[in-house]
Amino acid sequence: DQQVKQNSPSLSVQEGRISILNCDYTNSMFDYFLWYKKYPAEGPTFLISISSIKDKNEDGRFTVFLNKSAKHLSLHIVPSQPGDSAVYFCAASADTGNQFYFGTGTSLTVIP
Amino acid sequence: DAGVIQSPRHEVTEMGQEVTLRCKPISGHDYLFWYRQTMMRGLELLIYFNNNVPIDDSGMPEDRFSAKMPNASFSTLKIQPSEPRDSAVYFCASSFIGTRGYTFGSGTRLTVV
Repeated sequence: DQQVKQNSPSLSVQEGRISILNCDYTNSMFDYFLWYKKYPAEGPTFLISISSIKDKNEDGRFTVFLNKSAKHLSLHIVPSQPGDSAVYFCAASADTGNQFYFGTGTSLTVIP
Repeated sequence: DAGVIQSPRHEVTEMGQEVTLRCKPISGHDYLFWYRQTMMRGLELLIYFNNNVPIDDSGMPEDRFSAKMPNASFSTLKIQPSEPRDSAVYFCASSFIGTRGYTFGSGTRLTVV
């Protein structure tokens, strides 16, 4: 059963606008969350993280929001750029080992 | 550091053949993970090792799949016999205790015809 869900397989956004990618999880023990970005023919690369003790983490154009009560997190990209076009994976981990559970990914296309 | 190195990058094989995928983790990392990427399930954990010992192999789909880590710098994922439904991209990732997050390799795209 999928413990981390990304219900939008794809998203298209105009350059300069905001991209919002969503992720839901079911396991209340998850306390650390990551977003990975993946270009074609490459491995996923780390983008941004957030711990459950925070509700927001910002890094440049990228901001991750965590709503623990709703078991929901989102990644905001502002402003979106064509180079942001990639597949974005959400991942979550509980404080029991180093195992992360990944979602199915959302393919973002930023239109110039 | 060269990062996590996987080989081959692409593998095309016939159904029934044995396939071996290889991974060299980042030096000093004590966790190694094998993931499979499919459209339906996204990144699916197959097995992971800590200090060369398999910790959780519950994600290995069938007995046809096996993984080994004979030393800290090398791991293999073997499929024998291979089937068309094994076609996917297989990723290896490594990390070390104290950090939360992985470094992924570039993946092996496996096609079984």
